[in-house]
Amino acid sequence: AQSVAQPEDQVNVAEGNPLTVKCTYSVSGNPYLFWYVQYPNRGLQFLLKYITGDNLVKGSYGFEAEFNKSQTSFHLKKPSALVSDSALYFCAVRERGNTPLVFGKGTRLSVIA
Amino acid sequence: ETGVTQSPTHLIKTRGQQVTLRCSSQSGHNTVSWYQQALGQGPQFIFQYYREEENGRGNFPPRFSGLQFPNYSSELNVNALELDDSALYLCASSPYLAGDTDTQYFGPGTRLTVL
Repeated sequence: AQSVAQPEDQVNVAEGNPLTVKCTYSVSGNPYLFWYVQYPNRGLQFLLKYITGDNLVKGSYGFEAEFNKSQTSFHLKKPSALVSDSALYFCAVRERGNTPLVFGKGTRLSVIA
Repeated sequence: ETGVTQSPTHLIKTRGQQVTLRCSSQSGHNTVSWYQQALGQGPQFIFQYYREEENGRGNFPPRFSGLQFPNYSSELNVNALELDDSALYLCASSPYLAGDTDTQYFGPGTRLTVL
């Protein structure tokens, strides 16, 4: 069965500093990996995905994520955090085909001015 | 291009009642998935509809049911509501191409409170 772990419930970072939100996954085949962001009282917004190819994936709002097959990780990164990046971030995985997304529990990012 | 929309935004029901939530998929998307997000948790997959038929189901009881219409919009119905059904219900649409489901785009959700 597929699973996702987001080991940190909360990440605090100062504005302008780099940020990392961690994600590890478990699937039986090749993974499709996603990051979504959720602002208060809102749905999930798609940030980026890894399907195949280059291990470094660039997405919306300056975010990027690095796929590491040997460590089964897909950490979300941004070189310089903004206060407006403060939100709840979800990592999700699915297998190829018509399979559902499996989400982690989420990591709350707080960027402090 | 119109995004995914859901109605209503909020809903309050009492135990034992029935509820219907609605979702309009993004233009060009033929697949709709429903998720339940309990407070402090990640979304959990309820079921998916493709071409008006259920096409995958998560670990939810039969009192959770759905429909998809020819225009790809969808409904989620929950019968005999329980307190634990209180959650944010998210609808996501995606294109289904060449045997694979592409990126799912989510609506704003419906917040259901069961008293």
